[in-house]
Amino acid sequence: QVQLVQSGAEVKKPGASVNVSCKASGYTFTNYAINWVRQAPGQRLEWMGWINGGNGITRYSQNMQGRVTISRDTSASIAYMELSSLRSEDTAVYFCARTALVVKRGVLDVWGQGAMVTVSS
Amino acid sequence: EIVMTQSPATLSVSPGERATLSCRASQSVSSNLAWYQQKPGQAPRLLIYGASTRATGVPARFSGSGSETEFTLTISSLQSEDFAVYYCQQYNNWPPLTFGGGTKVEI
Repeated sequence: QVQLVQSGAEVKKPGASVNVSCKASGYTFTNYAINWVRQAPGQRLEWMGWINGGNGITRYSQNMQGRVTISRDTSASIAYMELSSLRSEDTAVYFCARTALVVKRGVLDVWGQGAMVTVSS
Repeated sequence: EIVMTQSPATLSVSPGERATLSCRASQSVSSNLAWYQQKPGQAPRLLIYGASTRATGVPARFSGSGSETEFTLTISSLQSEDFAVYYCQQYNNWPPLTFGGGTKVEI
């Protein structure tokens, strides 16, 4: 079945970087894009960026202020999200989610289980 | 950036009752509107896209309507498993994708 499996929880100190992975299975990775969405405690979902699984083109939220980098390894069907210069406000659950490249582009039809990132000194 | 606003923040209903959730966009998103259900400790689950098309496996008691700036998610007869938080999301004008603040449906 189609699924996205993410790496585990992380605890980081302020100023550090975190890397979260998202392994896809059950579909052709290069035919879809992977989005990254985060959810701080008690807050709404916040879109961070996406990567086209086929050509590797990325788009990012301006709110991330250049701190986020999304990449992929097509041979392993894995997408990565790196967030740098961490601060306490980055404490959140980070989700990856699939979207089609053409029809229903922007509809997040499959989600990973989420990865909790805690930023604390 | 398109701002999505949901109301009410919390909806208290009894099992078997009808629930009506609202979502408003700050500018027209045509019919490019999705609804998601999220239960505690879980990832969101796609319910509706295209404002009114149910995703695969979603029960018929869930229905979506609306266009442009006003949208509604209706749950015709609430089941115990439907108590959750519901989010709307626009995908008409992005990046960024934007979500509403959510409506918590509680007993």
